[in-house]
Amino acid sequence: AQSVAQPEDQVNVAEGNPLTVKCTYSVSGNPYLFWYVQYPNRGLQFLLKYITGDNLVKGSYGFEAEFNKSQTSFHLKKPSALVSDSALYFCAVRDDADSSYKLIFGSGTRLLVRP
Amino acid sequence: GAGVSQSPSNKVTEKGKDVELRCDPISGHTALYWYRQSLGQGLEFLIYFQGNSAPDKSGLPSDRFSAERTGGSVSTLTIQRTQQEDSAVYLCASRLEPGRALNEQFFGPGTRLTVL
Repeated sequence: AQSVAQPEDQVNVAEGNPLTVKCTYSVSGNPYLFWYVQYPNRGLQFLLKYITGDNLVKGSYGFEAEFNKSQTSFHLKKPSALVSDSALYFCAVRDDADSSYKLIFGSGTRLLVRP
Repeated sequence: GAGVSQSPSNKVTEKGKDVELRCDPISGHTALYWYRQSLGQGLEFLIYFQGNSAPDKSGLPSDRFSAERTGGSVSTLTIQRTQQEDSAVYLCASRLEPGRALNEQFFGPGTRLTVL
């Protein structure tokens, strides 16, 4: 069965410092991995995805994520956090064996960047 | 705009009433998904449409939930005899081509359903 774990309910970081939001996954086939961000009273916005190829994926707003197959992880990172990055972040996985291409989401991690 | 739209944005209903939630996907997107976001359950998949057919309904929590899609475009999620545990944000997403696995899903702003 497919699953995603985001072990931290909340991550706190000071503005200008690097940030990491953790994600691990479990799928039976090959994983397609995604990060989405949700601002208050808004839908989910796509940040980046890993399909194949380079393990380091760059996305919107200066975010990047590293795919690590041996550790089944896909942590989201940013070198220098902004207060405006404060939001709810979701990691999601799609199993290439699933023909519906539905996403399985983690429980979300709230990022709080303090000035 | 060119994004996924949903209506209403907020819906308050009384227990036992039926509700209909609407989703307008991005034009040309043949794949459409409904998800539910609730405090206790996180983000859960409900149903997937390819065109007007729904090959994956595995996430619908009970037979009170149904959905349809017409003209390969607009979709309606119907909840009959609503219960308080149905209170959640219902999100719709669309994707360009179901046969192309590389494409990401684009989400609408959601409908917040409150059952009193």
